Amino acid sequence: LAKTTQPISMDSYEGQEVNITCSHNNIATNDYITWYQQFPSQGPRFIIQGYKTKVTNEVASLFIPADRKSSTLSLPRVSLSDTAVYYCLVGGSSYNTDKLIFGTGTRLQVFP
Amino acid sequence: SQTIHQWPATLVQPVGSPLSLECTVEGTSNPNLYWYRQAAGRGLQLLFYSVGIGQISSEVPQNLSASRPQDRQFILSSKKLLLSDSGFYLCAWSVQGQTQYFGPGTRLLVL
Repeated sequence: LAKTTQPISMDSYEGQEVNITCSHNNIATNDYITWYQQFPSQGPRFIIQGYKTKVTNEVASLFIPADRKSSTLSLPRVSLSDTAVYYCLVGGSSYNTDKLIFGTGTRLQVFP
Repeated sequence: SQTIHQWPATLVQPVGSPLSLECTVEGTSNPNLYWYRQAAGRGLQLLFYSVGIGQISSEVPQNLSASRPQDRQFILSSKKLLLSDSGFYLCAWSVQGQTQYFGPGTRLLVL
């Protein structure tokens, strides 16, 4: 299973764009890249998922280069409520064993 | 729409006591089900996953066990809790090969 590496923490200010990059050098051909957001004492919440190029939804954008060895989660115009831990995961390609390995995530702190 | 429930939300148990945490999913059939544990300030550790009734795979050896008596019910148990069992327990579901969706979690404190 592919392992991911992401920064331990990041700081930002309200209204700024935040980009969190994740490395996954050993990603398998069929693996998807998924990002979750977690607030204290809550379960992780799905943000976005992609396989290649760019994916955008109402919350974020996900940029994936051609070699798929990294990905970048982009949060436009963050607010204080975006302060959370963000996890990057790869996997989900196997029919019966779509196990995901969670790292320690990136703790994003948004300041006013 | 699909929903996932966990209870209790919070639990305080003495060392050596038994444990039973329940997770149920609504709005989907034959989901994959998962139990994770999260220590304070850490990432999630996968404990068990199940692809069907009565089918349980264990990821980490420990004094915990899991059962799936019904299609959308997943239970985490222990006969005798240890101090190290304290943590935040999360249940999740997915359709095979797709995104996992998490429940609200159960915070367990073993004293």
